[in-house]
Order: sequence, then C-alpha cells, then structure tokens
Amino acid sequence: DIVLTQSPDSLAVSLGERATINCKSSQNLVYSSNNKNYLAWYQHKAGQPPKLLFYWASTRESGVPDRFSGSGSGTDFSLTISSVQAEDVAIYYCQQHSSTPYTFGQGTKLEI
Amino acid sequence: QVQLQESGPGLVKPSETLSLTCTVSGGPINRNYWSWIRQVPGKGLEWIGYIFTFASAKYSPSLESRVRMSLDGSKNQVSLSLASVTAADTATYYCVRLGAGHYMDVWGKGTTVTVAS
Repeated sequence: DIVLTQSPDSLAVSLGERATINCKSSQNLVYSSNNKNYLAWYQHKAGQPPKLLFYWASTRESGVPDRFSGSGSGTDFSLTISSVQAEDVAIYYCQQHSSTPYTFGQGTKLEI
Repeated sequence: QVQLQESGPGLVKPSETLSLTCTVSGGPINRNYWSWIRQVPGKGLEWIGYIFTFASAKYSPSLESRVRMSLDGSKNQVSLSLASVTAADTATYYCVRLGAGHYMDVWGKGTTVTVAS
C-alpha cells in the first residue's frame, strides 16, 4: 500500500497568514503514460463531508478560492493557503488516486 | 448536479451485517465509479472499495473478506454490505463518486453507524 505522511499534524496561524501543508508519498505518484501526479487534496470541516480541493496535484476543483494552491510532483506535494481566512478552519487530507487501495494522509488540522 | 444520499440503520449488532444504500440523483450510475469511504471517530479517512459494473468491483484488502458492493440501475442506487461487524466498524460512512482519474469529486453527507448490542 502507498503510505502518505502529512506534516505538520496541526497548524495554527493568524488570519491573513500563509499556511503550507506537506504530503510525502512512499511511492512515486506520477504516471509515465500521461505525466500526471495522482494526488488529491480535500478539506474536511466539522459536520460536513470532505470537499475536493485539488486533483492531479495542482488542478483546482471548480469553486475553490484561488488563495488555495496545490503543488509538487513525484513523492512530495504541498497545499498552500496564501492568506488564511476564518472559514478555512478544517482538517486537510491528501489522497493518492494512483493505485488501490486508495489511501489518505493522516490529516492536518488547521486552526486560527 | 449529482447528489448522493446515504441511508441505512444507525445501529447494528455485533456479528451482524451492515447494509447501506446510496441514492444517486442528477445522473445515471452506470457511467461512473462509486466508492464507499468511512471515518472511525477520531481517526482519518479509509477507502472501503469501489464498484463500476457488477463485474468490476475492487475492495480494500483489509475488508475484502467481509465487504460487497452492488448497483441497482433501476433505482439509481449503490449499496454497501459489510458482514460480521464489530465495534471497530463504528464509523461515519460516505458514498462517493470517483472522477475521471479516480479522485473523489462528489460526496454524500455521510451516515453514522454504531455497532453495539
């Protein structure tokens, strides 16, 4: 199984500050056939289902604010929020959609 | 816009079978892959498996011996069956649509299942 390790486990920032969450994969998530990274990011707010933010590592899902960005390739990936807002409080998960069993990182809790 | 709604009993006895249904609205189920994800209280997200057609299902190795998924095209429903449950199966269960690359682009609101006598 592919293991995803996120860092940090929790992150406290002030409103307007930049926040970066890292995700390291135990295996390369790039498919040579299409050069795509099979890594997704989700935002999970309390009492709601998770919400897809990015897929293919950096493709923003429709409706996601542009203060969010996804980057990385191969085994190292990042989710960055350029200016954290109060509504960004959530747990963020990375997930590999490269091979089954699909696996998630352990989650990073973002607090203000 | 596709919407997913999970339903099923909120309480299941140990050793019995957990059965959940996901009703899909806004599109036919036969064009997509469908997954079930669960979250044990205080823990992270766990992929249970996916189904595309009756002949194309794949399950997590950790649950494969106990889980089955099925499709009902006439009702536009996806079903999950998990046998021989224990307290460790107490979780919130989500029905999820898989996008083109098998990322999880549409989620149901989730249903909480408690395993207890």
